[in-house]
Amino acid sequence: GAGVSQSPSNKVTEKGKDVELRCDPISGHTALYWYRQSLGQGLEFLIYFQGNSAPDKSGLPSDRFSAERTGGSVSTLTIQRTQQEDSAVYLCASSIAGGVDTQYFGPGTRLTVL
Amino acid sequence: QKEVEQNSGPLSVPEGAIASLNCTYSDRGSQSFFWYRQYSGKSPELIMFIYSNGDKEDGRFTAQLNKASQYVSLLIRDSQPSDSATYLCAVSRVTGNQFYFGTGTSLTVIP
Repeated sequence: GAGVSQSPSNKVTEKGKDVELRCDPISGHTALYWYRQSLGQGLEFLIYFQGNSAPDKSGLPSDRFSAERTGGSVSTLTIQRTQQEDSAVYLCASSIAGGVDTQYFGPGTRLTVL
Repeated sequence: QKEVEQNSGPLSVPEGAIASLNCTYSDRGSQSFFWYRQYSGKSPELIMFIYSNGDKEDGRFTAQLNKASQYVSLLIRDSQPSDSATYLCAVSRVTGNQFYFGTGTSLTVIP
């Protein structure tokens, strides 16, 4: 079946603008994760959704970052008033039921803030 | 102390040799251990996972786990140039929702 998809693949924005990044997980996967990967760095956990439970937002770096997941499927990560340090690749992953289940990654969105 | 630590490399091995990638983790309650491969400009893809102490083999890849030493490794036999990539170690805890990723080890297989 189809894998995790993300859009857009690339996003260039000006400092101070808001951006929305979209993730469409694998069908049937109840868990969804957002990560950020800066150049040459590892993956930084941002937020985790599991079914209808309250999301784990412990990784969000500031209140400019928010995410929602509608209908238990598609998720949108929103970054308000973007800063240059927000430039990174934003990766979404999904797994069957969260916890220790294997995560499958989407292709990522490369965000560049000028 | 980082949750997961890896030698960033770069690690270079000749084609056909064994590449050994290492990872240590800090939380003794960690339950599951994963190795992901990430080609430049691409997203991570799962190579192997291991839950129990000992070795787990899949083709040219062998994962080794030693929970007493909090150490997990990945061996790649008969290394190929196509194995050149960054290898990420990931660890998940017994409780909580997070996977903890290392910063990755860059591997170059020289033809």
